[in-house]
Amino acid sequence: GIQVEQSPPDLILQEGANSTLRCNFSDSVNNLQWFHQNPWGQLINLFYIPSGTKQNGRLSATTVATERYSLLYISSSQTTDSGVYFCAVGRGWNTDKLIFGTGTRLQVFP
Amino acid sequence: DTEVTQTPKHLVMGMTNKKSLKCEQHMGHRAMYWYKQKAKKPPELMFVYSYEKLSINESVPSRFSPECPNSSLLNLHLHALQPEDSALYLCASSHAGQAYGYTFGSGTRLTVV
Repeated sequence: GIQVEQSPPDLILQEGANSTLRCNFSDSVNNLQWFHQNPWGQLINLFYIPSGTKQNGRLSATTVATERYSLLYISSSQTTDSGVYFCAVGRGWNTDKLIFGTGTRLQVFP
Repeated sequence: DTEVTQTPKHLVMGMTNKKSLKCEQHMGHRAMYWYKQKAKKPPELMFVYSYEKLSINESVPSRFSPECPNSSLLNLHLHALQPEDSALYLCASSHAGQAYGYTFGSGTRLTVV
């Protein structure tokens, strides 16, 4: 099956710093989403981005499907950005199955 | 309404008990999912319902039994669980086919004693 690896596994930042999270996948996909899991376990959908670039406030994401990677950029990080960031991928045009990556645990300190 | 509601939030059950987890959404999503998440691990897909029919079962043991009574509700019936089944159980919903608009509930934290 498809493998989804994220890097770095852990990231510690001071408030205000910028960061880039990476998601590599082993096969072609036509569905890629980024999620943030807060310390209480709630998963929030950040982006649906099978290709191209999107921005939402301080967050932006880019997926280069032909090279099998996606990047999540966090600018001017805040303590509320802490948690685990997952990318999840799907294949096929009629499947609802998402495979989650290994995750990046982010801690932002004041 | 842009939420997926899961009940209960916490559940402790014995290995001989029967319990059910419930999930509800009113976003018009026709795909609903159950995921299991162990500590410090990514969510793992268990079941997918598409248009109220079971479309994916990821080789889940029969002590977990899903049910989708209608397009808004999803249940997970639990029976004869083992302590290693203790985990966070997450429900999600999305538009069917492309998994667009994926929305997770806040989960049920299950402990099997």
